[in-house]
Order: sequence, then C-alpha cells, then structure tokens
Amino acid sequence: DAGVIQSPRHEVTEMGQEVTLRCKPISGHNSLFWYRQTMMRGLELLIYFNNNVPIDDSGMPEDRFSAKMPNASFSTLKIQPSEPRDSAVYFCASSFWGDRINGYTFGSGTRLTVV
Amino acid sequence: TQLLEQSPQFLSIQEGENLTVYCNSSSVFSSLQWYRQEPGEGPVLLVTVVTGGEVKKLKRLTFQFGDARKDSSLHITAAQPGDTGLYLCAGANWAGNMLTFGGGTRLMVKP
Repeated sequence: DAGVIQSPRHEVTEMGQEVTLRCKPISGHNSLFWYRQTMMRGLELLIYFNNNVPIDDSGMPEDRFSAKMPNASFSTLKIQPSEPRDSAVYFCASSFWGDRINGYTFGSGTRLTVV
Repeated sequence: TQLLEQSPQFLSIQEGENLTVYCNSSSVFSSLQWYRQEPGEGPVLLVTVVTGGEVKKLKRLTFQFGDARKDSSLHITAAQPGDTGLYLCAGANWAGNMLTFGGGTRLMVKP
C-alpha cells in the first residue's frame, strides 16, 4: 500500500479564495481523521469519520471549514473563504476503528499558506 | 476531556548524550503510543505500550508505560543526529477509536 496520500503537498492562495485539500486513506481502513498542525497549537483534531460518516466535527474552527467523505477511498477538507490565520500544515490520517495497537497512519501533509 | 502533557517541550543535546522525554496525564488510557515526526512529513508510529508497567525497547530507545496507565516515558541512549525530530505521545481511549495527542517534544541532536 502506498500509505495515506494527500494532495497538494503545498498550497499558496490569496485571502478569500477557496481551498480544497484531498486525502486518500489506506485501503481497508474505516476511520479517517483531519488534523491541523501549527507551532503554537500543535496537532489539533478537526474532524473524524467512521465508515464515511462524520462522527465528531467539534474541532472545526468555524463554518468556513467543511469536510466530506463521499466514499471509503476519498475525503476532502474545504476552506471557503480562506484567511491568513488558516495557514498551517493539514494532515489526514487513517486507521481501523477500535484498533488501539496499530495507531494512525498519517499522510505527508499539505502545507497551506494564505497571503 | 483527556489531556496529555509532554516535557520538555524543547531539547537540544550533543551526540552521544542520553535523554528522557515524559508524557503525563490525569486520565487513564487503554494504550499509549509514541510517534516521531521529521520535517516535512507526518508522524510515524514508533511503538505502542499496552500493559501498566510495560517496558519496550527499540534499539537505543526505551519506552515505559506507568503502572497506573496515566504516564509514559521515552529514554534515548547515546543520541544521534538521526534522532532529531518531534516526538509525540498519544493515549488511546478504551473504545480504541480515539487518540489524544500530547503537545510534543522537539529534539535536536547536534553532531
């Protein structure tokens, strides 16, 4: 398996533009997590899905953020409109629901810069 | 809300030195995981400890889970520049479907 695949790796956009981040989880994993990482706040859980259904989105900062998982092999995180304070590295991770041993497999992240 | 505190937050040492990183909580976890993250990459799982008091070794790295399952430590012997990175601990809830991550320890090992 190629691991968790995220695209793009880097995104630079102007304030007010829409940004869409993409994630392909490991085949067979049934849980998917979106995180945001900054130096100040560390890793923050934004939202997670089980069997393509959003379970907890309490970490989503505001209504400008939305996430979808239309099928088991694809998820998107959208920011509309984007703001400079959204600049961060966004990670997608996947796992087996209920597996407390093998942990999460993370993608390489998308570094978002909003200017 | 389960919280995990890691200390120290930053550590800069010379090659060959030993170090210990701590991960503490007031909550009990079903398992405790340690990840290492290198620049430009996502965190990668190093080890999972499951039983209270458990000790696991991975080459020069020794991981211990506290008897009460609330804390853990990572000890590195004779650190090398390749050990440089961000070390994250994460506690699993009893359902096994959620990890709580600590704030991380940023380690730099100078040659």
